[in-house]
Amino acid sequence: DGGITQSPKYLFRKEGQNVTLSCEQNLNHDAMYWYRQDPGQGLRLIYYSQIVNDFQKGDIAEGYSVSREKKESFPLTVTSAQKNPTAFYLCASMSVAGGGYTFGSGTRLTVV
Amino acid sequence: AQSVTQPDIHITVSEGASLELRCNYSYGATPYLFWYVQSPGQGLQLLLKYFSGDTLVQGIKGFEAEFKRSQSSFNLRKPSVHWSDAAEYFCAVTYGGATNKLIFGTGTLLAVQP
Repeated sequence: DGGITQSPKYLFRKEGQNVTLSCEQNLNHDAMYWYRQDPGQGLRLIYYSQIVNDFQKGDIAEGYSVSREKKESFPLTVTSAQKNPTAFYLCASMSVAGGGYTFGSGTRLTVV
Repeated sequence: AQSVTQPDIHITVSEGASLELRCNYSYGATPYLFWYVQSPGQGLQLLLKYFSGDTLVQGIKGFEAEFKRSQSSFNLRKPSVHWSDAAEYFCAVTYGGATNKLIFGTGTLLAVQP
């Protein structure tokens, strides 16, 4: 079945360390997105990519980085510059025909 | 700035009662509207969407939503709530084309009493 796979489901990071969250899709979707979710704040857009080798900052890109070397993959790196990285991270994709997002099941990142 | 407002942060209904979750979007000539549901610790699942045509749209799990352009609203309804409907519900909008990125509301958390 086609879908989006996020890994790992839970991730613990020490302060000062960079960590990379994986997002892979086999839906042949062109556009991919990273959102951060905090209680009571809904979903906030971090980065998005509408085509391979191109991506744009979202509303809260500071302290994050991404790459889009393959259509299927859109990894997110949470750097040590992100002051409050503990959150639930969601990856999504959308086809060129539109119709809304398909979401992965999320990664919960905790800084210890 | 374009935005989506879900005025109810938390709603509690009894099982079997009807449900209406409110959603208002900022003005846009051609809004594309969505409702998603999220169970705890999970991703979001699409319930229904409106692009054009009939303003009453049917979705999965017995949900429906009505687009009212004059009120800039897209409220979600269900005639009889089941305990399994307890979850968080998000309204989302995009403008200028169905391929643009979505703007999400802050969500409404639904609790269902037995």
